Amino acid sequence: AQKITQTQPGMFVQEKEAVTLDCTYDTSDPSYGLFWYKQPSSGEMIFLIYQGSYDQQNATEGRYSLNFQKARKSANLVISASQLGDSAMYFCAFNAGGTSYGKLTFGQGTILTVHP
Amino acid sequence: SQTIHQWPATLVQPVGSPLSLECTVEGTSNPNLYWYRQAAGRGLQLLFYSIGIDQISSEVPQNLSASRPQDRQFILSSKKLLLSDSGFYLCAWSLGIPDRGYEQYFGPGTRLTVT
Repeated sequence: AQKITQTQPGMFVQEKEAVTLDCTYDTSDPSYGLFWYKQPSSGEMIFLIYQGSYDQQNATEGRYSLNFQKARKSANLVISASQLGDSAMYFCAFNAGGTSYGKLTFGQGTILTVHP
Repeated sequence: SQTIHQWPATLVQPVGSPLSLECTVEGTSNPNLYWYRQAAGRGLQLLFYSIGIDQISSEVPQNLSASRPQDRQFILSSKKLLLSDSGFYLCAWSLGIPDRGYEQYFGPGTRLTVT
């Protein structure tokens, strides 16, 4: 079974600085996808970024980039130029390829607090 | 553009009462649909997923059931709620595009408290 681990319960960053949120995964599937979601205090889950296991380049979406190290099975999220609105819970998620139909396995999350 | 709705937004129900949570998606057809539950301060756990009308798969044994009576409608039900059913319930949809890893988009959620 797949496992997702986020080892940082909480992180603090100064506004306008960059921050890295860690995520490691464990799988024997050759094809899989990795996702990051943001959950503000309102509770909604906001899709941020996706990385496929066969993608050669790291994914980027605006201020978000995914530092994908396949051999180390890590998929860290980098947020550049942090903003106060980035304060939220961040979840890393995994789904296996093939006939998994997109079923996501989530990590425990990291609470990010951005200080002014 | 696609939108996903869930209702009610919050619900307080006594133990032993029935439950019905509804999720609908607009702006797309034949989506994959998912129900997740989030306990306080925890990650999400997949409960059910559906790849088509009347095609439901359960991920964990539990006190809940799901139905998909229409293409873009997904319902989560229980005949008798337990205290352990309390949590934040999120519905999600995806287009089922393998190249994008079945990228999922979530509804606003229903916060259920069983008393």
